[in-house]
Amino acid sequence: EVQLLESGGGLVQPGGSLRLSCAASGFTFNSYAMYWVRQAPGKGLEWLSAIGGSGDPTFYADSVKGRFTISRDNSKNTLYLQMSSLSPEDTAVYYCAKAAGGAFTPWIGYWGQGTLVTVSS
Amino acid sequence: EIVMTQSPAALSVSPGERATLSCRASQSVSSNLAWYQHKPGQAPRLLIDGASTRATGVPARFSGSGSGTEFTLTISSLQSEDFAVYYCQHYNNWPLSFGGGTKVEI
Repeated sequence: EVQLLESGGGLVQPGGSLRLSCAASGFTFNSYAMYWVRQAPGKGLEWLSAIGGSGDPTFYADSVKGRFTISRDNSKNTLYLQMSSLSPEDTAVYYCAKAAGGAFTPWIGYWGQGTLVTVSS
Repeated sequence: EIVMTQSPAALSVSPGERATLSCRASQSVSSNLAWYQHKPGQAPRLLIDGASTRATGVPARFSGSGSGTEFTLTISSLQSEDFAVYYCQHYNNWPLSFGGGTKVEI
């Protein structure tokens, strides 16, 4: 059974940084692209970033390019999202997600339950 | 960046009725479109990819159609468990993007 467990969310001050982690199990981690998607309070889903199974290529939404960095450690079956220069507009539930198929399938087959990031002073 | 626009924002229907949800892309995405269902407190769920291919385990009452810039998700006979927010997502090129969602409510 595929499981994606996000961690690392919490309260951070504006301008601060935070690193999210996503522990994956139940599938061959390095064979799948992975994604980060967020949902701000009362808003819809926003795609943020993607990474290939081997760690490249990587892609970003314009809203986070230059501030967020996606990475993965295939030896630990873990996906990361390093976030910096955070603003209140980054307050959201952040979801880790797995590609629906192999190679770099660009749609999502499984989602984690999400971790809440709150940016506030 | 391709902008995805969903309509209506909310749709009131009764169990057993048909629901038709629309998704429009700001430029052609061919058939590179997925639909997801999202219920409060749960992880989103893939329903449709390739604009019309149901994901594994998705009931036949869900169907997708369209290509280019205009897409439709149809729920033929709404069940109580179908009340949720539905999102379309293009994957024609990078960056990917979601529509704003349609809330299907009683």
